[in-house]
Amino acid sequence: GAGVSQSPSNKVTEKGKDVELRCDPISGHTALYWYRQSLGQGLEFLIYFQGNSAPDKSGLPSDRFSAERTGGSVSTLTIQRTQQEDSAVYLCASSLNPTGGRVDTEAFFGQGTRLTVV
Amino acid sequence: LAKTTQPISMDSYEGQEVNITCSHNNIATNDYITWYQQFPSQGPRFIIQGYKTKVTNEVASLFIPADRKSSTLSLPRVSLSDTAVYYCLVGGSSNTGKLIFGQGTTLQVKP
Repeated sequence: GAGVSQSPSNKVTEKGKDVELRCDPISGHTALYWYRQSLGQGLEFLIYFQGNSAPDKSGLPSDRFSAERTGGSVSTLTIQRTQQEDSAVYLCASSLNPTGGRVDTEAFFGQGTRLTVV
Repeated sequence: LAKTTQPISMDSYEGQEVNITCSHNNIATNDYITWYQQFPSQGPRFIIQGYKTKVTNEVASLFIPADRKSSTLSLPRVSLSDTAVYYCLVGGSSNTGKLIFGQGTTLQVKP
């Protein structure tokens, strides 16, 4: 597609339910990132996928959070047993980072999924 | 990862030049310096990237001194639409490509 696509754009869920957030990166981009942004705050790194390498999960806040990237393309971020503190905008980005991880290429962000846990 | 420090907020008026400085004292040899812009309710957008000296594009200029321990984003003649959060990032092969955002600088442009 022309840009990074995220779905749904908004999600309201009840505390304790599981949610899945989807990210369609730009075709051909090898790197994919997930971030979380709470109201008025900066971007909190969650997880990073680069090609076929093992993902960098160092930013996941708890074992309730997990992410997959199938076939090097679409990614799904899953939050199990949601809590109210999980309410935030979840942003996905992709970039052309070549093997070796040079960040001299720009990352393109989607519009985000606004998650509200009630 | 090289940590960055930038002012939390800045105010300016339309038509003025705005300079936002970012400190990155422990920048590594292979690290690049990248700036992103984020408008409310949108994802960040790449503005400019550089390694050393000066880089200019249609949006901004980036000044990097010889020691590379800081960088300055320069926005010429800002308008109300430049009101946004500006993030400075430092990274390269030393961090395997992971992008870490700081708190950013909230720029408020007034009429």
